[in-house]
Amino acid sequence: QQQVKQSPQSLIVQKGGISIINCAYENTAFDYFPWYQQFPGKGPALLIAIRPDVSEKKEGRFTISFNKSAKQFSLHIMDSQPGDSATYFCAATQSYNTDKLIFGTGTRLQVFP
Amino acid sequence: NAGVTQTPKFRVLKTGQSMTLLCAQDMNHEYMYWYRQDPGMGLRLIHYSVGEGTTAKGEVPDGYNVSRLKKQNFLLGLESAAPSQTSVYFCATGQGRETQYFGPGTRLLVL
Repeated sequence: QQQVKQSPQSLIVQKGGISIINCAYENTAFDYFPWYQQFPGKGPALLIAIRPDVSEKKEGRFTISFNKSAKQFSLHIMDSQPGDSATYFCAATQSYNTDKLIFGTGTRLQVFP
Repeated sequence: NAGVTQTPKFRVLKTGQSMTLLCAQDMNHEYMYWYRQDPGMGLRLIHYSVGEGTTAKGEVPDGYNVSRLKKQNFLLGLESAAPSQTSVYFCATGQGRETQYFGPGTRLLVL
């Protein structure tokens, strides 16, 4: 019940295309869903996050879509650029009842010119 | 303002050797975490701390010990290294339970 399942494991997109990464969870008590971005040789960094009281959050070219009934959330990268090439991790937590984030297994995104 | 630093950046150990990884933060955060990252496995929590003098087990604690004697430092120890502990280790800190700030990582190879 504590797992967060992430897909796909890897993704290749052409420059200008849309990258979509999906995550699913079982624990309905999760109430905070962040995405982290990790460049090669670096530590992950928070990219964007959403709470279940909204169905979508947009920051620049990055959008999280959240489907509470399906227990799924996804990251959309519009107009994907080579500089977006990185590994992306979704995560989830119960922000008032635990001290931990549960991470997905990661998606390696490669954007080709 | 260095943020989160990790020492060393890279280390090679022989099976059975011991070592300590140091995480230091200058952000005055209460929460500190140690993760390991392996291909296809994502980030797995080893141990964490919610404040100076406290530690708790994460998802994969076996073979590791930790200490948080000072608020700014979180040490991860391997008493008897095994090849299965070959990994990239990340430290993270946070003021609350949500946003975590990661260090640059320590790459460990156990032969």
